[in-house]
Amino acid sequence: GQNIDQPTEMTATEGAIVQINCTYQTSGFNGLFWYQQHAGEAPTFLSYNVLDGLEEKGRFSSFLSRSKGYSYLLLKELQMKDSASYLCAVRDSNYQLIWGAGTKLIIKP
Amino acid sequence: IAGITQAPTSQILAAGRRMTLRCTQDMRHNAMYWYRQDLGLGLRLIHYSNTAGTTGKGEVPDGYSVSRANTDDFPLTLASAVPSQTSVYFCASSPKAGGQETQYFGPGTRLLVL
Repeated sequence: GQNIDQPTEMTATEGAIVQINCTYQTSGFNGLFWYQQHAGEAPTFLSYNVLDGLEEKGRFSSFLSRSKGYSYLLLKELQMKDSASYLCAVRDSNYQLIWGAGTKLIIKP
Repeated sequence: IAGITQAPTSQILAAGRRMTLRCTQDMRHNAMYWYRQDLGLGLRLIHYSNTAGTTGKGEVPDGYSVSRANTDDFPLTLASAVPSQTSVYFCASSPKAGGQETQYFGPGTRLLVL
């Protein structure tokens, strides 16, 4: 079966750095996405990786290792507004997105 | 309007009733999707449409049907609602299916089936 694993919840301090991990086992791989979802709102796109390595976009970076079936999202200089759920999704061989359950990130002052 | 709209925002529905959730996008995106999101589970694909006039089944299609008569609209129908269909439903679209196309999500419909 297809599976995306992420930690259920993480806590970090304002101004710090946090890394959210995602491991996947899917039938085929055509890219990995990270989305942010604030409580009660729709998911919004953060990043896309299809090749191994690090993609940096401002305070957010995303890393991919296809051989390990592993990705992480790195958030720097955490702000209170970063409190949200972070969803990892993999596009499989049928070009459909398989979603993890999300990681709820709690930021403390 | 800009983006994706969904209606209604929320709904309480008696079991056995028929219900259509509406989704409209004005971005001229070819591909559209319906997901449900339940606590502790990832988004699960119900149905999708890669282009107007075509539809396909996702991971959890039973009890749901869709149509795609034109580019902009992608309604989801529950023929006879059951309590297990209580969920938050998100409609999404992307310029085309596959590749690095980002999916853009509507605000969601919160459905409670009693």
